[in-house]
Amino acid sequence: AQKVTQAQTEISVVEKEDVTLDCVYETRDTTYYLFWYKQPPSGELVFLIRRNSFDEQNEISGRYSWNFQKSTSSFNFTITASQVVDSAVYFCALRQLRFGNEKLTFGTGTRLTIIP
Amino acid sequence: GAGVSQSPRYKVAKRGQDVALRCDPISGHVSLFWYQQALGQGPEFLTYFQNEAQLDKSGLPSDRFFAERPEGSVSTLKIQRTQQEDSAVYLCASSLGGFYYGYTFGSGTRLTVV
Repeated sequence: AQKVTQAQTEISVVEKEDVTLDCVYETRDTTYYLFWYKQPPSGELVFLIRRNSFDEQNEISGRYSWNFQKSTSSFNFTITASQVVDSAVYFCALRQLRFGNEKLTFGTGTRLTIIP
Repeated sequence: GAGVSQSPRYKVAKRGQDVALRCDPISGHVSLFWYQQALGQGPEFLTYFQNEAQLDKSGLPSDRFFAERPEGSVSTLKIQRTQQEDSAVYLCASSLGGFYYGYTFGSGTRLTVV
């Protein structure tokens, strides 16, 4: 069985502070994908990143960065110099790499509030 | 269309009523998914289609839930005899299919059963 844990239910930081959202996952598979999605108040899930389990390189995209550590089954997300527009619920998700099985297993999400 | 379109955006149903939720995926997307998101929770998988074939329906919570995609494009999620516990946001997503491509989600249908 697969499981994704986002232990932080809610985080509030003052604008321009850095913030890290934690994600820990469980899977018996050796190959899998990890995702981060943003869910603004409008409700749609916005794709942020996908990481293949073979690739443990950290990734940076503008103010966003991701730290993937297979040894600790973690895939953490850091926002640098946070902005009010970053306020949203963020979900980490896991997907098996098995043909015909494309479903995502989501964590319970972290609600991030950026205080102006 | 440019994105995944879901209708209606909001639905209020009386307990025991049947409802039908529609999803229009991105044109050409082979894979289509339905997820249920309860308040304060992450989305949970319901069912998955590849073209018109329903390959996985393991997440459907009961036999009151039924999904179809008869022509491999538009999909309908039907819930019969709605119960209060069915109140949630129902999200649809589509993908070009396969391991490489990501998913595009719609804005969801918020179902409230009263």
